[in-house]
Amino acid sequence: GAVVSQHPSWVICKSGTSVKIECRSLDFQATTMFWYRQFPKQSLMLMATSNEGSKATYEQGVEKDKFLINHASLTLSTLTVTSAHPEDSSFYICSANQPTGLVFENIQYFGAGTRLSVL
Amino acid sequence: AQSVTQLGSHVSVSEGALVLLRCNYSSSVPPYLFWYVQYPNQGLQLLLKYTTGATLVKGINGFEAEFKKSETSFHLTKPSAHMSDAAEYFCAVSEPNFNKFYFGSGTKLNVKP
Repeated sequence: GAVVSQHPSWVICKSGTSVKIECRSLDFQATTMFWYRQFPKQSLMLMATSNEGSKATYEQGVEKDKFLINHASLTLSTLTVTSAHPEDSSFYICSANQPTGLVFENIQYFGAGTRLSVL
Repeated sequence: AQSVTQLGSHVSVSEGALVLLRCNYSSSVPPYLFWYVQYPNQGLQLLLKYTTGATLVKGINGFEAEFKKSETSFHLTKPSAHMSDAAEYFCAVSEPNFNKFYFGSGTKLNVKP
């Protein structure tokens, strides 16, 4: 199947610094990517939809100035956690839609996730 | 609006026993339904999906699920559990032609020797 690469897999940072997480589709072009946040022992919460060449669409309650998303190319989306604080510590997962050529098909492939720890 | 309910946050079975993980959904339109598996500190891997057609869907690793519209369910089963099946399983729903996925809270499967 398709491969989505996420980097880094683990990052520790000091409070107040910014952290950038990359999500790449390795063998397909993804016009749409998604960013999720997963708290311990909980499910994935959709944060935002990243659209190539346009602004991201954020879910209700997600601070767009806090979580900056840039989808600069068909294979790369980045999530920047600005001025990170301990409460931002979480597991962040990206996914990308692989076009199948079929109308109404919808397959998402997930990255391995990034564990962010803010001290 | 879409929502997914997974009954049982933890399920424990013996190796070789039947695995049954429950998923119920609510959707205002015919949904697309998915099961994903997550191993520790990893992303999600697609097990199987239902979009249209046959309601009994077969996936990887011997898993299958049946879409029952009347019961709004999409339970995941495997006839005989293997130790390697121990992981967390997530049921998800999306609207056709709509990219957003909504996930259930997950069920952690433990397989006893």
